[in-house]
Amino acid sequence: DGGITQSPKYLFRKEGQNVTLSCEQNLNHDAMYWYRQDPGQGLRLIYYSQIVNDFQKGDIAEGYSVSREKKESFPLTVTSAQKNPTAFYLCASRSQLSQPQHFGDGTRLSIL
Amino acid sequence: GQQVMQIPQYQHVQEGEDFTTYCNSSTTLSNIQWYKQRPGGHPVFLIQLVKSGEVKKQKRLTFQFGEAKKNSSLHITATQTTDVGTYFCATGGGTSYGKLTFGQGTILTVHP
Repeated sequence: DGGITQSPKYLFRKEGQNVTLSCEQNLNHDAMYWYRQDPGQGLRLIYYSQIVNDFQKGDIAEGYSVSREKKESFPLTVTSAQKNPTAFYLCASRSQLSQPQHFGDGTRLSIL
Repeated sequence: GQQVMQIPQYQHVQEGEDFTTYCNSSTTLSNIQWYKQRPGGHPVFLIQLVKSGEVKKQKRLTFQFGEAKKNSSLHITATQTTDVGTYFCATGGGTSYGKLTFGQGTILTVHP
């Protein structure tokens, strides 16, 4: 969807390396979310943030970290502690509690 | 938190046949949202249902929310090849920072 930009589209991680996935939105949305999607499966919530400088762990936060220094940006770091990082990562945002989530195009992360 | 089970996991149909996916919960749901994800793409919001017994239509798509607000369905009449993708139900959003819980999704394949 227009307004949410994820980069890069494809990313490769070496053993023991941390990598950061970018998510930027110009929709003026307060809330932002990170999901992980494995092949043939649903979306699992990693982290979410309602306001700047505040974020909460989702269902599978171990091995991941985030920051929310600006309203527009919610980067996700996949740390070396995440032993199975290969997946499709989706960032989403929304403006109010009753509104739907808008998704970026996603980043596919693979292990080298 | 709330959980939703979605069935079937896969559905293969011939073009022109109907298709239905179901979303079930053991607890009363505050709302149901439906998303569609095309192969290689990201989820796109289709609709939200909030009222008991609510029925909404979008062209060939019919969405229902059960009387007890514990189940929902998405029905597609006369499928077309453009309908292929994964259909997800999701619930939540009214509390907990708008966090959504997604079903596992139903992967629809349409054979021409």
